[in-house]
Amino acid sequence: RKEVEQDPGPFNVPEGATVAFNCTYSNSASQSFFWYRQDCRKEPKLLMSVYSSGNEDGRFTAQLNRASQYISLLIRDSKLSDSATYLCVARRGGYQKVTFGTGTKLQVIP
Amino acid sequence: GAGVSQSPSNKVTEKGKDVELRCDPISGHTALYWYRQRLGQGLEFLIYFQGNSAPDKSGLPSDRFSAERTGESVSTLTIQRTQQEDSAVYLCASSWGLAVQETQYFGPGTRLLVL
Repeated sequence: RKEVEQDPGPFNVPEGATVAFNCTYSNSASQSFFWYRQDCRKEPKLLMSVYSSGNEDGRFTAQLNRASQYISLLIRDSKLSDSATYLCVARRGGYQKVTFGTGTKLQVIP
Repeated sequence: GAGVSQSPSNKVTEKGKDVELRCDPISGHTALYWYRQRLGQGLEFLIYFQGNSAPDKSGLPSDRFSAERTGESVSTLTIQRTQQEDSAVYLCASSWGLAVQETQYFGPGTRLLVL
């Protein structure tokens, strides 16, 4: 079983739609979580960190559920520019190895 | 300020040749990571450097792969006797260091093609 698992998609959604991705992690020692965005043939860039209380940044909301060991990313009012692959990341406390999921591809269509 | 830089941006080589990839982290970042990303795949952890500690080499796929880092600056990833399956984008990332919430900043990657 992969340490971080994501649905690869693609998720094809119309502009203005709300879309949600989930990511599960298997190592209960994971302490911090992130969502990165990767555009085609580009490097990953941090979208947002994920905190236990959940956090929101504009149209983006991230949630962490430790009991069920998953994190989620909600995108409201999707824009064409949101089309990208979204990578889920888990990091273990006390050890700096970071594990990336394989990503969920989002395509926002006009 | 300057971000993470990598060179070369693209490298085409013949099977069996050695290649050396370079990463310049953000100044002051003590942690440095190398990842490999094959076409259409996720990021595969290769190696991690933290300050002067021994590197974590657990992700290196074979003994043909090695990496070095000079202090808290430049790192080089060397692939000896390249094989076609080594073709991928090699990404370098750096972060300030030890905090669990540390953000990694990625370089643009080196696209390696082994013919």
